[in-house]
Amino acid sequence: DTGVSQNPRHKITKRGQNVTFRCDPISEHNRLYWYRQTLGQGPEFLTYFQNEAQLEKSRLLSDRFSAERPKGSFSTLEIQRTEQGDSAMYLCASSFEGFNGYTFGSGTRLTVV
Amino acid sequence: AQKVTQAQTEISVVEKEDVTLDCVYETRDTTYYLFWYKQPPSGELVFLIRRNSFDEQNEISGRYSWNFQKSTSSFNFTITASQVVDSAVYFCALSNDYKLSFGAGTTVTVRA
Repeated sequence: DTGVSQNPRHKITKRGQNVTFRCDPISEHNRLYWYRQTLGQGPEFLTYFQNEAQLEKSRLLSDRFSAERPKGSFSTLEIQRTEQGDSAMYLCASSFEGFNGYTFGSGTRLTVV
Repeated sequence: AQKVTQAQTEISVVEKEDVTLDCVYETRDTTYYLFWYKQPPSGELVFLIRRNSFDEQNEISGRYSWNFQKSTSSFNFTITASQVVDSAVYFCALSNDYKLSFGAGTTVTVRA
Protein backbone atom coordinates (compact mmCIF):
# COMPACT_ATOMS: atom_id res chain seq x y z
CA ASP A 1 0.00 0.00 0.00
CA THR A 2 1.51 3.29 -1.07
CA GLY A 3 -0.55 5.62 1.07
CA VAL A 4 -3.47 7.92 0.34
CA SER A 5 -3.89 8.66 -3.35
CA GLN A 6 -5.73 11.67 -4.76
CA ASN A 7 -6.68 12.39 -8.34
CA PRO A 8 -6.30 14.60 -10.17
CA ARG A 9 -3.36 16.51 -8.72
CA HIS A 10 -4.41 19.71 -10.43
CA LYS A 11 -7.71 20.86 -11.89
CA ILE A 12 -8.44 24.11 -13.69
CA THR A 13 -12.08 24.77 -14.40
CA LYS A 14 -14.28 27.60 -15.52
CA ARG A 15 -16.64 29.20 -13.07
CA GLY A 16 -19.98 27.45 -13.09
CA GLN A 17 -18.64 24.06 -14.08
CA ASN A 18 -18.90 20.95 -11.93
CA VAL A 19 -15.77 19.13 -10.75
CA THR A 20 -15.21 15.81 -9.03
CA PHE A 21 -12.17 14.67 -7.09
CA ARG A 22 -11.30 11.16 -6.05
CA CYS A 23 -9.52 9.85 -2.96
CA ASP A 24 -8.25 6.31 -2.44
CA PRO A 25 -7.42 5.80 1.23
CA ILE A 26 -5.10 3.28 2.82
CA SER A 27 -7.05 0.07 2.42
CA GLU A 28 -7.07 -0.94 6.09
CA HIS A 29 -8.33 2.46 7.26
CA ASN A 30 -12.04 2.74 7.93
CA ARG A 31 -12.12 6.51 8.39
CA LEU A 32 -11.76 8.99 5.55
CA TYR A 33 -11.62 12.77 5.81
CA TRP A 34 -11.76 15.76 3.48
CA TYR A 35 -10.08 19.06 4.27
CA ARG A 36 -9.75 22.29 2.33
CA GLN A 37 -6.68 24.49 2.44
CA THR A 38 -6.59 28.00 1.02
CA LEU A 39 -3.39 29.88 0.35
CA GLY A 40 -1.51 30.83 3.48
CA GLN A 41 -3.85 28.99 5.81
CA GLY A 42 -3.97 25.68 7.57
CA PRO A 43 -6.33 22.95 6.38
CA GLU A 44 -9.96 23.20 7.46
CA PHE A 45 -12.16 20.20 8.14
CA LEU A 46 -14.94 19.59 5.62
CA THR A 47 -16.36 16.14 6.31
CA TYR A 48 -15.54 12.61 7.36
CA PHE A 49 -16.73 9.07 6.80
CA GLN A 50 -16.58 5.99 8.92
CA ASN A 51 -16.86 3.15 6.45
CA GLU A 52 -19.58 4.30 4.06
CA ALA A 53 -21.41 6.52 6.55
CA GLN A 54 -20.85 10.27 6.40
CA LEU A 55 -20.83 11.20 10.08
CA GLU A 56 -20.16 14.91 10.07
CA LYS A 57 -20.23 17.81 7.63
CA SER A 58 -18.73 21.19 8.37
CA ARG A 59 -20.78 24.29 7.75
CA LEU A 60 -18.03 25.12 5.25
CA LEU A 61 -19.57 22.42 3.06
CA SER A 62 -22.28 24.35 1.26
CA ASP A 63 -25.08 22.64 -0.63
CA ARG A 64 -22.93 22.82 -3.77
CA PHE A 65 -20.57 20.30 -2.23
CA SER A 66 -21.30 16.61 -1.91
CA ALA A 67 -19.10 13.76 -0.79
CA GLU A 68 -19.66 10.05 -1.08
CA ARG A 69 -17.87 6.92 -0.05
CA PRO A 70 -19.64 4.00 -1.66
CA LYS A 71 -18.83 0.62 -0.15
CA GLY A 72 -16.54 2.26 2.36
CA SER A 73 -13.57 2.32 0.00
CA PHE A 74 -12.66 5.29 -2.21
CA SER A 75 -14.40 8.64 -1.84
CA THR A 76 -15.43 11.38 -4.23
CA LEU A 77 -15.92 15.05 -3.55
CA GLU A 78 -18.05 16.92 -6.06
CA ILE A 79 -18.42 20.67 -6.32
CA GLN A 80 -21.29 21.92 -8.43
CA ARG A 81 -21.45 25.34 -10.09
CA THR A 82 -17.90 26.20 -9.01
CA GLU A 83 -17.10 29.71 -7.83
CA GLN A 84 -13.75 31.48 -7.68
CA GLY A 85 -13.85 31.17 -3.91
CA ASP A 86 -13.69 27.40 -4.29
CA SER A 87 -10.09 27.68 -5.51
CA ALA A 88 -8.05 25.79 -2.92
CA MET A 89 -6.16 22.61 -2.19
CA TYR A 90 -8.50 19.76 -1.30
CA LEU A 91 -6.83 17.25 0.97
CA CYS A 92 -7.97 13.75 1.76
CA ALA A 93 -6.78 11.70 4.71
CA SER A 94 -7.53 8.34 6.24
CA SER A 95 -7.07 6.68 9.60
CA PHE A 96 -8.11 3.81 11.77
CA GLU A 97 -11.00 4.24 14.13
CA GLY A 98 -9.69 5.22 17.53
CA PHE A 99 -7.84 8.26 16.47
CA ASN A 100 -4.09 7.93 16.25
CA GLY A 101 -3.45 10.47 13.57
CA TYR A 102 -4.06 10.71 9.92
CA THR A 103 -2.23 9.87 6.75
CA PHE A 104 -2.77 12.63 4.23
CA GLY A 105 -2.74 12.47 0.47
CA SER A 106 -0.91 14.98 -1.72
CA GLY A 107 -4.10 16.89 -2.42
CA THR A 108 -5.96 18.16 -5.45
CA ARG A 109 -5.32 21.80 -6.29
CA LEU A 110 -8.41 23.41 -7.79
CA THR A 111 -8.24 26.66 -9.70
CA VAL A 112 -11.52 28.25 -10.79
CA VAL A 113 -11.10 30.84 -13.53
CA ALA B 1 -14.35 25.50 20.20
CA GLN B 2 -10.75 24.64 19.52
CA LYS B 3 -8.17 27.10 18.31
CA VAL B 4 -4.52 26.87 17.41
CA THR B 5 -2.30 29.93 17.08
CA GLN B 6 1.08 29.97 15.39
CA ALA B 7 2.30 33.51 15.85
CA GLN B 8 5.37 33.14 13.65
CA THR B 9 4.53 33.53 9.99
CA GLU B 10 8.01 32.99 8.59
CA ILE B 11 11.39 31.96 9.95
CA SER B 12 14.63 32.06 7.99
CA VAL B 13 17.82 30.44 9.26
CA VAL B 14 21.19 29.36 8.01
CA GLU B 15 21.86 25.66 7.77
CA LYS B 16 22.88 24.02 11.06
CA GLU B 17 21.09 26.59 13.17
CA ASP B 18 18.32 25.43 15.50
CA VAL B 19 14.74 26.44 14.73
CA THR B 20 11.99 26.66 17.35
CA LEU B 21 8.36 26.93 16.25
CA ASP B 22 5.78 28.26 18.67
CA CYS B 23 2.25 26.91 19.07
CA VAL B 24 -0.44 27.98 21.50
CA TYR B 25 -3.77 26.21 21.67
CA GLU B 26 -7.21 26.63 23.21
CA THR B 27 -9.60 23.83 24.10
CA ARG B 28 -12.15 23.01 26.77
CA ASP B 29 -11.53 19.30 26.48
CA THR B 30 -9.51 17.51 29.11
CA THR B 31 -8.44 14.83 26.68
CA TYR B 32 -6.89 15.97 23.45
CA TYR B 33 -4.01 15.36 21.08
CA LEU B 34 -1.45 17.75 19.70
CA PHE B 35 0.41 17.29 16.45
CA TRP B 36 3.06 18.82 14.28
CA TYR B 37 2.88 18.33 10.52
CA LYS B 38 5.29 19.37 7.79
CA GLN B 39 4.10 20.46 4.35
CA PRO B 40 6.86 20.60 1.74
CA PRO B 41 6.29 22.29 -1.62
CA SER B 42 4.86 19.03 -2.99
CA GLY B 43 1.78 19.69 -0.85
CA GLU B 44 1.49 16.48 1.14
CA LEU B 45 1.10 16.86 4.90
CA VAL B 46 3.72 14.76 6.63
CA PHE B 47 3.12 13.65 10.21
CA LEU B 48 6.01 14.52 12.54
CA ILE B 49 4.95 14.11 16.16
CA ARG B 50 1.89 13.51 18.33
CA ARG B 51 1.33 14.04 22.00
CA ASN B 52 -1.72 13.37 24.16
CA SER B 53 -2.86 15.73 26.88
CA PHE B 54 -1.90 13.39 29.69
CA ASP B 55 1.71 13.13 28.73
CA GLU B 56 3.75 16.24 29.25
CA GLN B 57 7.04 14.45 29.01
CA ASN B 58 9.21 16.21 26.51
CA GLU B 59 11.23 14.06 24.20
CA ILE B 60 13.73 14.13 21.45
CA SER B 61 13.35 12.15 18.26
CA GLY B 62 16.35 12.49 16.03
CA ARG B 63 16.68 16.17 15.19
CA TYR B 64 13.16 16.93 16.42
CA SER B 65 12.19 17.80 19.97
CA TRP B 66 9.12 19.31 21.55
CA ASN B 67 8.16 21.19 24.67
CA PHE B 68 4.59 20.58 25.83
CA GLN B 69 3.38 22.75 28.72
CA LYS B 70 -0.27 22.44 29.70
CA SER B 71 0.03 25.32 32.15
CA THR B 72 0.63 27.74 29.29
CA SER B 73 -1.24 25.72 26.60
CA SER B 74 1.87 25.63 24.48
CA PHE B 75 3.34 22.92 22.29
CA ASN B 76 6.58 24.20 20.81
CA PHE B 77 8.68 22.29 18.32
CA THR B 78 12.41 22.48 17.68
CA ILE B 79 14.49 21.32 14.76
CA THR B 80 18.11 20.95 15.78
CA ALA B 81 20.92 21.51 13.29
CA SER B 82 18.57 22.48 10.49
CA GLN B 83 19.11 21.31 6.94
CA VAL B 84 17.97 22.70 3.61
CA VAL B 85 15.53 19.78 3.29
CA ASP B 86 13.74 21.07 6.40
CA SER B 87 12.45 24.02 4.38
CA ALA B 88 8.66 23.70 4.44
CA VAL B 89 5.52 24.98 6.11
CA TYR B 90 5.02 23.54 9.57
CA PHE B 91 1.58 23.20 11.09
CA CYS B 92 0.58 22.66 14.67
CA ALA B 93 -2.76 20.90 15.10
CA LEU B 94 -5.16 19.98 17.89
CA SER B 95 -7.72 17.19 18.07
CA ASN B 96 -10.07 15.72 20.63
CA ASP B 97 -11.13 12.76 18.52
CA TYR B 98 -11.37 12.66 14.77
CA LYS B 99 -11.23 16.31 13.71
CA LEU B 100 -7.98 18.24 13.42
CA SER B 101 -7.88 21.99 13.99
CA PHE B 102 -4.79 23.49 12.38
CA GLY B 103 -2.89 26.68 12.98
CA ALA B 104 -2.07 28.96 10.06
CA GLY B 105 1.40 27.50 9.70
CA THR B 106 4.96 28.77 9.92
CA THR B 107 7.10 28.87 6.79
CA VAL B 108 10.64 27.77 7.53
CA THR B 109 13.38 28.57 5.07
CA VAL B 110 16.79 27.04 5.65
CA ARG B 111 19.55 28.66 3.61
CA ALA B 112 22.71 26.82 2.69
